[in-house]
Amino acid sequence: QVQLVESGGGLVKPGGALRLTCGASGFTFSDYYMSWIRQAPGKGLEWISDIRSSGSFRKYADSVKGRFTISRDNPKNSLFLQMNSLRAEDTAVYYCARGDSLFDNWGQGTLVIVSS
Amino acid sequence: QSVLTQPPSVSGAPGQRVIVSCTGSRSNIGAGYDVHWYQQLPGTAPKLLIYGDSNRPSGVPDRFSGSKSGTSASLAITGLQAEDEADYFCQSYDGSLSGSVFGGGTKVTVL
Repeated sequence: QVQLVESGGGLVKPGGALRLTCGASGFTFSDYYMSWIRQAPGKGLEWISDIRSSGSFRKYADSVKGRFTISRDNPKNSLFLQMNSLRAEDTAVYYCARGDSLFDNWGQGTLVIVSS
Repeated sequence: QSVLTQPPSVSGAPGQRVIVSCTGSRSNIGAGYDVHWYQQLPGTAPKLLIYGDSNRPSGVPDRFSGSKSGTSASLAITGLQAEDEADYFCQSYDGSLSGSVFGGGTKVTVL
């Protein structure tokens, strides 16, 4: 069965950086677009980025453009999110999800807290 | 402020029917983009509930149904059960923003 497992979250100071990883299994990773979606505490869901199956095309929400970078390693079935210049408002649970406009499988999420 | 608008909460007694609305605009739902619905049980990740406006993934009970008209969509839950108590989110694509957009979520409470 499809499994997505995020890691790399934690506590970071404003202006700091963090790299999230999502390990995928149970499907042909290189066939699918992948996305990162976040949920601030007690709030709704926000799509922040997606990447084409080949890795050749990436999109970002305005809220993270220029600060976050999505990437993937297809041979290692892994998805990444490099987060720089972190702000308090980036505090959220970060989910990786399969797909780009329909998210049919989600990981359990990893919590990122940006605080001094 | 979410791009898609949902009521913060709806409630119903066991066995009743509840409807969760999702209102968008001409750049998303009104442009014909599919609407999808996700269920988030307390403390867990969202799970796909309805895709392509009205289709249920394998394993989703037929008590859940979706529809779309104009710039709005709806999720109906018939025969409400205690296990349906959760947050429900609608999602579509926005052509102006060039990305997926979500509703703010609706908490369904079983009385």
